[in-house]
Amino acid sequence: QVQLVQSGAQVKKPGASVKVSCKVSGDRLTELSIQWLRQAPGKGPEWMGGFDPEHAETIYAQNFQGRVTMTEDASADTAYMELRNLTSDDAAMYFCATASTDYWSGFPHWGQGALVVVSS
Amino acid sequence: QSVLSQPPSVSGAPGQRVTISCTGSRSNIGARYDVHWYQQLPGTAPKLLISGDDDRPSGVPDRFSGSRSGTSASLAITGLQAEDEADYYCHSYDNDLGGWVFGGGTKLTVL
Repeated sequence: QVQLVQSGAQVKKPGASVKVSCKVSGDRLTELSIQWLRQAPGKGPEWMGGFDPEHAETIYAQNFQGRVTMTEDASADTAYMELRNLTSDDAAMYFCATASTDYWSGFPHWGQGALVVVSS
Repeated sequence: QSVLSQPPSVSGAPGQRVTISCTGSRSNIGARYDVHWYQQLPGTAPKLLISGDDDRPSGVPDRFSGSRSGTSASLAITGLQAEDEADYYCHSYDNDLGGWVFGGGTKLTVL
């Protein structure tokens, strides 16, 4: 069974960057298509980007292009998401998730979430 | 403002049937992209409830079912139980945005 374990809560100042990790177990990271999402309090999930296996590349949501970078360390089965130039609007719970095997059937596995607080 | 629109709340008594709607557009649900549904309990990550319009992952009771028509989709829950009280989200792909989109969520209250 695939499990995703994320890094802990972080407090950042406006203008800073945050990096969240997502450790995979139960399968190799290279066999999965990791996606990154965030969820502000009382709101629905917002997809930030992830690996598109059909084009073998990482794609980013329009709202985050230029400000986010998603990377992977296959040797450690760990994925990372870095978001730069934080504002108060970036305060949210950040999740990693796996796309389904065929990419088109939803996100079956999720990490527990990593809370990011942005405060001066 | 979410790309997919859901009612903020629905409610029902134990044993009743409720439906949650998800309204999209020609660039997502109307473009025949599958609709997926998630259940989220307080303080936890979303859990995939329905994939590919009406497929239930292993372990999801058959009280949950999905359907679609045109640019909309629906989640139906029959035989409502207290443990169904949660937030529910719809999810699809949008070809104008070139990525995945979600609804704003519907809070289900079991009376």
